[in-house]
Amino acid sequence: AQSVTQLDSHVSVSEGTPVLLRCNYSSSYSPSLFWYVQHPNKGLQLLLKYTSAATLVKGINGFEAEFKKSETSFHLTKPSAHMSDAAEYFCVVSEGVGGGYQKVTFGTGTKLQVIP
Amino acid sequence: KAGVTQTPRYLIKTRGQQVTLSCSPISGHRSVSWYQQTPGQGLQFLFEYFSETQRNKGNFPGRFSGRQFSNSRSEMNVSTLELGDSALYLCASSLSREGTEAFFGQGTRLTVV
Repeated sequence: AQSVTQLDSHVSVSEGTPVLLRCNYSSSYSPSLFWYVQHPNKGLQLLLKYTSAATLVKGINGFEAEFKKSETSFHLTKPSAHMSDAAEYFCVVSEGVGGGYQKVTFGTGTKLQVIP
Repeated sequence: KAGVTQTPRYLIKTRGQQVTLSCSPISGHRSVSWYQQTPGQGLQFLFEYFSETQRNKGNFPGRFSGRQFSNSRSEMNVSTLELGDSALYLCASSLSREGTEAFFGQGTRLTVV
């Protein structure tokens, strides 16, 4: 069975400082992993995804995430936070369910606050 | 290509009424998933439809139901509305192939009064 745990429900950083949003997953097989971002009253937008290629994945808006199989983690980072990064972030794991299809599980989300 | 379209964007209903929300996925996508998002419970999975069949279901009462049509468009129905059903309902469309991402609509904001 697959699951995903976002270790922090809220993270607060100062503008210009690094961002770290933590995500651990559990999966029976080799998973695909995603990070989505949701700005207030908007739908979710894909930030980046890992699908068994390079373990360090670069996404939009300067975000990146590193897949660490030994730690079953997929933490999201950004070197320098911007005010526009304030949003809710969701870590997502998916694994194949046969026939080339997948089942997706969302984390509970981490709200990022950026302080000016 | 056109994104995921959810209608209506906003809806106000009275307790006890029923409501139907619609989602048109991206062309070629056969999987449509529905999520409920509230400040207290966060993002919760409702159900997923694939090729007109409900493939996965979350932990919601039977008042919540859905269906998918042959053109992959999906509807979600909530009967006997309760105040606690007030939420943002998000629809996600995907190819559902391994490693493919979901694309989300803007959501329908349902307010039950």
